[in-house]
Amino acid sequence: GNSVTQMEGPVTLSEEAFLTINCTYTATGYPSLFWYVQYPGEGLQLLLKATKADDKGSNKGFEATYRKETTSFHLEKGSVQVSDSAVYFCALLAGGTSYGKLTFGQGTILTVHP
Amino acid sequence: ETGVTQTPRHLVMGMTNKKSLKCEQHLGHNAMYWYKQSAKKPLELMFVYSLEERVENNSVPSRFSPECPNSSHLFLHLHTLQPEDSALYLCASSQAWVGVGNTIYFGEGSWLTVV
Repeated sequence: GNSVTQMEGPVTLSEEAFLTINCTYTATGYPSLFWYVQYPGEGLQLLLKATKADDKGSNKGFEATYRKETTSFHLEKGSVQVSDSAVYFCALLAGGTSYGKLTFGQGTILTVHP
Repeated sequence: ETGVTQTPRHLVMGMTNKKSLKCEQHLGHNAMYWYKQSAKKPLELMFVYSLEERVENNSVPSRFSPECPNSSHLFLHLHTLQPEDSALYLCASSQAWVGVGNTIYFGEGSWLTVV
């Protein structure tokens, strides 16, 4: 079956530090890959996505590259802000079905201090 | 604003009450989902409607009853819940017949507390 593994959290950084949250996946076929973010007290927001190998998704200074050879989709940001404090979920979506069945990682809590 | 609106945002109910959660999407999608997010547990897919037909019921207890009257609206009817049902309930939508590039969009969630 499909699975997503994220690095264990929580991750605590100072403002302007470099962020990496690792994500690896197992899937049959060619899934689409996503990062969702959940700010305190809110639902899930799509942060970025990539739909094929070597695609780079980017949004709000965050980036992730779909690496088929290492089955990875690591999230990076060059300089984090306090407002980036949230829970980040890596997910994959296998196609070829009549609906989208997302497989989520366990989530990584990020806390950024001033 | 994600295009998926959930009401109410917060709900407190007793174990003998009957209440409903509502979800509306303004994205022109034709598949809708209910997810449950509990503390310290992974996100759980509960129900899926695709083209107004229920296509997945992920072993959810019968005290949760979904309803999808049309492709824009989804309800979760709740009755005789247990305290362990307290959680964030997330609605989501997408196009049916998932292919490359399809994306699932989530609402803000409804926080449910069962007392």
